This record gives sequence, C-alpha cells and structure tokens, in this order.
Amino acid sequence: AQSVSQHNHHVILSEAASLELGCNYSYGGTVNLFWYVQYPGQHLQLLLKYFSGDPLVKGIKGFEAEFIKSKFSFNLRKPSVQWSDTAEYFCAVLLVGTNAGKSTFGDGTTLTVKP
Amino acid sequence: ETGVTQSPTHLIKTRGQQVTLRCSSQSGHNTVSWYQQALGQGPQFIFQYYREEENGRGNFPPRFSGLQFPNYSSELNVNALELDDSALYLCASRISVNSYEQYFGPGTRLTVT
Repeated sequence: AQSVSQHNHHVILSEAASLELGCNYSYGGTVNLFWYVQYPGQHLQLLLKYFSGDPLVKGIKGFEAEFIKSKFSFNLRKPSVQWSDTAEYFCAVLLVGTNAGKSTFGDGTTLTVKP
Repeated sequence: ETGVTQSPTHLIKTRGQQVTLRCSSQSGHNTVSWYQQALGQGPQFIFQYYREEENGRGNFPPRFSGLQFPNYSSELNVNALELDDSALYLCASRISVNSYEQYFGPGTRLTVT
C-alpha cells in the first residue's frame, strides 16, 4: 500500500533560517506529489504540486520542492522563513491514473518560526 | 465565489449512535472527497462522489456512507459510532473529477464518547 513519511513532526526555526522538510513515499509507480499547508485557524490549502517535467517546482510564498525519483523523495524548501510561515505542512502522493481525490497524506510537520 | 463550507463545526455523539455531516462544494465544483483526520495524523481518504455516485473509496467500512445531491453538496453518514471515529472530518471539492486541485473545507470535529 502507498505510504508517505514525513520525518520531522515538529520543526522550530528562527526567522530568516532556511527550511527543509522531508517527505518520502513508498510506491514504485508514477506519482503526482503535493505539499499542503494549514495556517492556524485556516483551511488546508495547496502549496505546490509536481506532475511531470522539471523536478524542481515552485509554489506560493517562496516555497519550492524537489522531486528525486531515485530517492522517492519530495522535500519542501524555503531559503528564508518568516514568522507567518508558522503552520502545519502535509506531503501527499497520488498514483497517476487513480481517482484524483484518493491522495495519501503524511502525518504532517508542524513548523514554528520564532520572530 | 463561496469556498467549501461544512456543518456542524463540532459534534459530540455517544458510541453506537449515528451522525450526518454536511458539505457544500465550492461554486462550480462537481466532485467531492471526504477525509478523516485523526489527532496527530494526516487526512485519510474515505470516499469520493461525482455526479451523485460514489466514485472511489478508501479503506473504511460500509458503516461510512455518503450522498451527493444535484447541487453537488454532500453528506457523510456514519452508523454505529465507535470511539475511534473521533476525528476531524474534512470535505474537499474539485472543479471536475479529472482535476487534481482540491479545495478543503474547515472540517467538522466529531467526538465520540
């Protein structure tokens, strides 16, 4: 069965620090990959997605993620975090050709950015 | 444009009871997915509805059922509630069944005692 692993449950950074959140998935087929973010008190929303092509994808608010097929990884990065990036981040994987709503999510990483 | 809305916000039920949760899709969206998010975990796919029919199901027992109405709003019904059903239930809508971009609602927090 598909599974998604997010290595860090809680990350604490100071403003301007660089961020990298790990995401690994276990599935050998072709996948679509997503990062979602949930800011305090808000809905879960899409941060960025990878379908095909350039493995380095850019999302909103300066976030980017790199798909490394050989490592089954899709790590999220941001060069310089801000206090407003405090949120919970979820990685999700969808097998290409399957029901588009049937995403498998990781358990999330809580990011706290100290001002 | 109205986003995805869900009702109620919070709900407390007793083990063995039945519950109905409601979701209104974002305007123009015809596909709805339901997810269960237990505390400290990511959302788990329950099922999806497209054009009023179930169109895909996750690893949930039949006591989890749903409906989609002609206006694309949706219900999630859970019978014979168990303590482990306590979770946040999320609804997500998409503009079409082939679209990969989901718009999530705020969720309904269900507590089973």
